Amino acid sequence: DAGVIQSPRHEVTEMGQEVTLRCKPISGHNSLFWYRQTMMRGLELLIYFNNNVPIDDSGMPEDRFSAKMPNASFSTLKIQPSEPRDSAVYFCASSGQGSTEAFFGQGTRLTVV
Amino acid sequence: GESVGLHLPTLSVQEGDNSIINCAYSNSASDYFIWYKQESGKGPQFIIDIRSNMDKRQGQRVTVLLNKTVKHLSLQIAATQPGDSAVYFCAEWGNKLVFGAGTILRVKS
Repeated sequence: DAGVIQSPRHEVTEMGQEVTLRCKPISGHNSLFWYRQTMMRGLELLIYFNNNVPIDDSGMPEDRFSAKMPNASFSTLKIQPSEPRDSAVYFCASSGQGSTEAFFGQGTRLTVV
Repeated sequence: GESVGLHLPTLSVQEGDNSIINCAYSNSASDYFIWYKQESGKGPQFIIDIRSNMDKRQGQRVTVLLNKTVKHLSLQIAATQPGDSAVYFCAEWGNKLVFGAGTILRVKS
């Protein structure tokens, strides 16, 4: 398996633009996580899906952020409109049923100018 | 201007020595406690976990200790190698996977 695949690896966008980050979890995994990593706040959990259903979105900063998981093999994190303070590395991770081992993607480095 | 951010503790060890990385957790209801390693430019990678009803678990060159009385978790790395240089995170798994602030491990050759 290629592991968790995220795209794009790098994204530079202007303030106010819509940004969509993509994630393909490991086949067979039923849990999917989106994290944001910054120097200020460390590694923050944004949202957690189980069997494609959002279980906990309490970490989503505000209404500008939304996440979807239309099927077991794909998830998106959208920011609209984007702001400079959204600049961070965004990670997607997946884990199998009953497993504590979450596998992380390489991350998307987002820069909003 | 000066940037303000998390001040991650740093542990510097000599190659071949043992390393001990500590973590204080907050959620007593967590089922598992887990250690992850993050190398520069990569996502975190699972090292070892321990169930909340255990106090010690050993892996290959690593040992995790759990002290529920004082809500303390530690990771011991035996015979530390340059490849162990990374940021180490403790994490809790209750109803979701939550990470702590991290510790930088630097291995001197």
